[in-house]
Amino acid sequence: GENVEQHPSTLSVQEGDSAVIKCTYSDSASNYFPWYKQELGKGPQLIIDIRSNVGEKKDQRIAVTLNKTAKHFSLHITETQPEDSAVYFCAARLVYNFNKFYFGSGTKLNVKP
Amino acid sequence: AAGVIQSPRHLIKEKRETATLKCYPIPRHDTVYWYQQGPGQDPQFLISFYEKMQSDKGSIPDRFSAQQFSDYHSELNMSSLELGDSALYFCASSSEGQRSPLHFGNGTRLTVT
Repeated sequence: GENVEQHPSTLSVQEGDSAVIKCTYSDSASNYFPWYKQELGKGPQLIIDIRSNVGEKKDQRIAVTLNKTAKHFSLHITETQPEDSAVYFCAARLVYNFNKFYFGSGTKLNVKP
Repeated sequence: AAGVIQSPRHLIKEKRETATLKCYPIPRHDTVYWYQQGPGQDPQFLISFYEKMQSDKGSIPDRFSAQQFSDYHSELNMSSLELGDSALYFCASSSEGQRSPLHFGNGTRLTVT
């Protein structure tokens, strides 16, 4: 199966700074990589995703990059705001089993005002 | 837009009791997933259903069972509850035909005393 590793486990930044969270995956057959934001007491919410035929995707202050050769993908948040504070999970899905998602262990992001 | 609905939001049970969690997927989503999330952990996959048939099985204890009904809603039945079953239980749905992203509900917090 797939193995997704996520770093760092905690990240503290000053409001307005950028935050970067990195994930690596083991199976080159993974072709879909979503990122989820989980606030306290809520379910994970999809914030951005990328497919293996794309190297980068942006949505306002959020961007995701994918390096298929190195098998890693990253979440970039610019101009962070206190409401960005949450736990972020990366995930990967295999091309031959799109019923199964493999999650990273999560990054707790704290944006200090 | 309609989201994944889970009920109840909170549930308190005693050891050895049974519990039933319900999940109503996003309309036209044909795949339902159940996840268990302990404090500070990433979601652990339990089981999934596609078109009312079990499609994949993860770390679901034998004391738990689940099914997907003709209206696509799903129920997770948990028997002989143990203290260690206390966790957040999330349901998620997707549309396999479109290989859509995973969308989570806000979870059921189960406390076993």
